[in-house]
Amino acid sequence: RKEVEQDPGPFNVPEGATVAFNCTYSNSASQSFFWYRQDCRKEPKLLMSVYSSGNEDGRFTAQLNRASQYISLLIRDSKLSDSATYLCVVILNTGGFKTIFGAGTRLFVKA
Amino acid sequence: NAGVTQTPKFQVLKTGQSMTLQCAQDMNHNSMYWYRQDPGMGLRLIYYSASEGTTDKGEVPNGYNVSRLNKREFSLRLESAAPSQTSVYFCASRTGMAYEQYFGPGTRLTVT
Repeated sequence: RKEVEQDPGPFNVPEGATVAFNCTYSNSASQSFFWYRQDCRKEPKLLMSVYSSGNEDGRFTAQLNRASQYISLLIRDSKLSDSATYLCVVILNTGGFKTIFGAGTRLFVKA
Repeated sequence: NAGVTQTPKFQVLKTGQSMTLQCAQDMNHNSMYWYRQDPGMGLRLIYYSASEGTTDKGEVPNGYNVSRLNKREFSLRLESAAPSQTSVYFCASRTGMAYEQYFGPGTRLTVT
């Protein structure tokens, strides 16, 4: 079983739609959580951190459910420019810190 | 600030050839990383360097070597390229104070 699993998609949504992605992680030593965004043929960039209490950054909301070991990303009022792959990232603390990247969920926003 | 730079952007090798991928960062970061990214798989760590003068193996180190030349530069060498090493290679760096990694633009490598 992969340590971090994401639905690869693609998710095809119209502009203005709300879309949500989930990511599950298997290791209970997971300590910190992030969403990165990767545009086609570009490098990954940090989108937002994920906090236990949930956090919002404009149209983006991230939530963490430690009991069920998943994190989510909600995008409201989708824009064409949101089209990208969203990577779930988990930091393990097993003596040293280890960063695990999910394979990503592809989103296409259509006009 | 250029951030993290990588050269070359594209490379085609024949099986058995060698090459070095270059990475440099101008953010005074202590830690640097080399990843490969293949379709359907997450970024996989090849090697990392927690600080100048140290290097450690990651998840998929076989067939690669690294050099942390100084605080700015971290190179990845393929001694004898194989088709299984066809991939996109990303270099990244981070400070010791936060988890965020900053990535270079990547090198697209094809081994025929």
